[in-house]
Amino acid sequence: DTEVTQTPKHLVMGMTNKKSLKCEQHMGHRAMYWYKQKAKKPPELMFVYSYEKLSINESVPSRFSPECPNSSLLNLHLHALQPEDSALYLCASSQDPGRETQYFGPGTRLLVL
Amino acid sequence: AQKVTQAQTEISVVEKEDVTLDCVYETRDTTYYLFWYKQPPSGELVFLIRRNSFDEQNEISGRYSWNFQKSTSSFNFTITASQVVDSAVYFCVGRMDSSYKLIFGSGTRLLVRP
Repeated sequence: DTEVTQTPKHLVMGMTNKKSLKCEQHMGHRAMYWYKQKAKKPPELMFVYSYEKLSINESVPSRFSPECPNSSLLNLHLHALQPEDSALYLCASSQDPGRETQYFGPGTRLLVL
Repeated sequence: AQKVTQAQTEISVVEKEDVTLDCVYETRDTTYYLFWYKQPPSGELVFLIRRNSFDEQNEISGRYSWNFQKSTSSFNFTITASQVVDSAVYFCVGRMDSSYKLIFGSGTRLLVRP
């Protein structure tokens, strides 16, 4: 089973709202990732968690705050976003952060008004 | 430079035609990994195949086949007898042994018309 789940599927929020995206995997993977994808572009890496610790932050603005409560869960907390943050947010996981294949979830489509 | 190039931005074919999606990569690493992912309109990136640099064997999976050629730094993907359900954006992706990051090509949008 190579399933990564993400909730919600769609999210509309105002610039003053606080919301969270959730990602879950039960494959025993020890690396989890957040990507941002704008329309007609490939995904861009935002964060990497390795063994529940943040190992990579690709210079993402602080209005995006990741959290890894346990090895199966990954959250992305959103606060004071801008309209240009509207995008598809994809979560992925892999057996480890090294050479293994990344498996992606269905994504959350975020619209910031 | 480490780079993955998909020169075909968009391809349109009629159902049952064969179609090949091109992918060219650049790297100085001797060990690297290449992938193809499919992204249908729903948004999910679906893993299709992975190839390691030390394994040049081509692969066939049903209507899908992949041709990995190190001599030309290419990893092309062919769909035989295309179907409407094959309509999607296809990304060729590389990961070099010296880096944790996936390097995405720009994607090829495939439209299969009935």
